[in-house]
Amino acid sequence: QQQVKQSPQSLIVQKGGISIINCAYENTAFDYFPWYQQFPGKGPALLIAIRPDVSEKKEGRFTISFNKSAKQFSLHIMDSQPGDSATYFCAAFKTSGSRLTFGEGTQLTVNP
Amino acid sequence: DVKVTQSSRYLVKRTGEKVFLECVQDMDHENMFWYRQDPGLGLRLIYFSYDVKMKEKGDIPEGYSVSREKKERFSLILESASTNQTSMYLCASQKPVPVNEQFFGPGTRLTVL
Repeated sequence: QQQVKQSPQSLIVQKGGISIINCAYENTAFDYFPWYQQFPGKGPALLIAIRPDVSEKKEGRFTISFNKSAKQFSLHIMDSQPGDSATYFCAAFKTSGSRLTFGEGTQLTVNP
Repeated sequence: DVKVTQSSRYLVKRTGEKVFLECVQDMDHENMFWYRQDPGLGLRLIYFSYDVKMKEKGDIPEGYSVSREKKERFSLILESASTNQTSMYLCASQKPVPVNEQFFGPGTRLTVL
C-alpha cells in the first residue's frame, strides 16, 4: 500500500528551467512533509520541509507548494542547475507514528 | 557534524548465507531505521527502533531481523540471504519530535548471488 505517490519517475530539464515534482498522499493524519535529495553514492539528505498549516515554503531556489484539500504537495526548483541533478524523494510524517513514508522517487537530470 | 556510518559500502554474498549490516550514529538519537532502496519503489522501511532493545516492524520485515544492544548501533540481519534481497540498504537516525529530520548513512549495496 503506497500511501505517498510521486511523479514523474524521471525528469529532464534544461539549465535555467523550472523543475516540478509532484506528490499526493492519502492519510490526513500526516502532519509534516519533507523533501529529501540524494546524490549518487550518498544517502538522502533533508532539502526542505513544510507543515500543513502553510501553503508555501521557499528556501532559495527551492519551493514547496502544499494543497491540503487536494492532499497534494509539490517541489519547484527554479533556475535549475546541473548540480541539482539528483534523486528527489517526497515523504510524509505522522508525529504519532514517528516514521516517514516515502514516495517512489524522481530522478532529475539538468542538462547544461 | 552529524554522522551515520555503515560497515560496508559494497557486499557480495551467496544465497543462504547469514548477512550482518551494521550502522552506527554519533548523535545520541533514540530512533533508528533500516530501509531498502530499489528503483521505482522508493525507500521502503524494513525495521525501526525507538530505544535500546526495542524494535518495530516496518512495511517489509519478512526475511530480516534487527538488533539494538547499544543506543548508537543498529544492526540488520538477513538470516538466510536470497537473490530478491539484492538491493541498496540505508540506515538512518532521527532527531526527536518536533524536528523529525532523518540522517542517512551512505548505504550498503548488497548483491546476493
